[in-house]
Amino acid sequence: AQSVTQLDSQVPVFEEAPVELRCNYSSSVSVYLFWYVQYPNQGLQLLLKYLSGSTLVESINGFEAEFNKSQTSFHLRKPSVHISDTAEYFCAVRPTGGFKTIFGAGTRLFVKA
Amino acid sequence: DGGITQSPKYLFRKEGQNVTLSCEQNLNHDAMYWYRQDPGQGLRLIYYSQIVNDFQKGDIAEGYSVSREKKESFPLTVTSAQKNPTAFYLCASSPRDRGGEQYFGPGTRLTVT
Repeated sequence: AQSVTQLDSQVPVFEEAPVELRCNYSSSVSVYLFWYVQYPNQGLQLLLKYLSGSTLVESINGFEAEFNKSQTSFHLRKPSVHISDTAEYFCAVRPTGGFKTIFGAGTRLFVKA
Repeated sequence: DGGITQSPKYLFRKEGQNVTLSCEQNLNHDAMYWYRQDPGQGLRLIYYSQIVNDFQKGDIAEGYSVSREKKESFPLTVTSAQKNPTAFYLCASSPRDRGGEQYFGPGTRLTVT
């Protein structure tokens, strides 16, 4: 079985400051890793994903995440956040041989002016 | 535009009534999913379907039922047996490629009183 732990339920940060949202996972099989973002009262949107290859993956809006196999982590980072980044962020894993995706409980990022 | 639609956005029902939530996709995806989202608990899988006329129970299927008669449609019925049905319900789909991410609908907020 797989599990995902997002270590912070809420992260307040000032605009233009760096941020890291932490994600650890547990799995006995190989997994794909995802970060999704959810704005209020909306569905989730894919932010970035790791399938294989380079352990550092980037999104088009400046977020990046690094897959660390030894620490079973997939932390999300952004060097300078904007007010518009305020949202809930979900880390997720899916076994490479399966269809079911396991989601973390979410981290609410609140960017202050 | 390709995507997933869920209707209605908001739904109100009296306790003891069954209610059906609609989910339609025009992405030609094989797999479809239903999740329930409650504050602080992330997404929990209710049912999923990998192919037409076939579906499997997720982690919290009790009190819910689904059908998959068409590739495009995956309606969810919340029955009177569901003890705590008030929640935000999200439908998603994904391609057969297991590395593919999930695409989410905008969600339906169900309130049962």
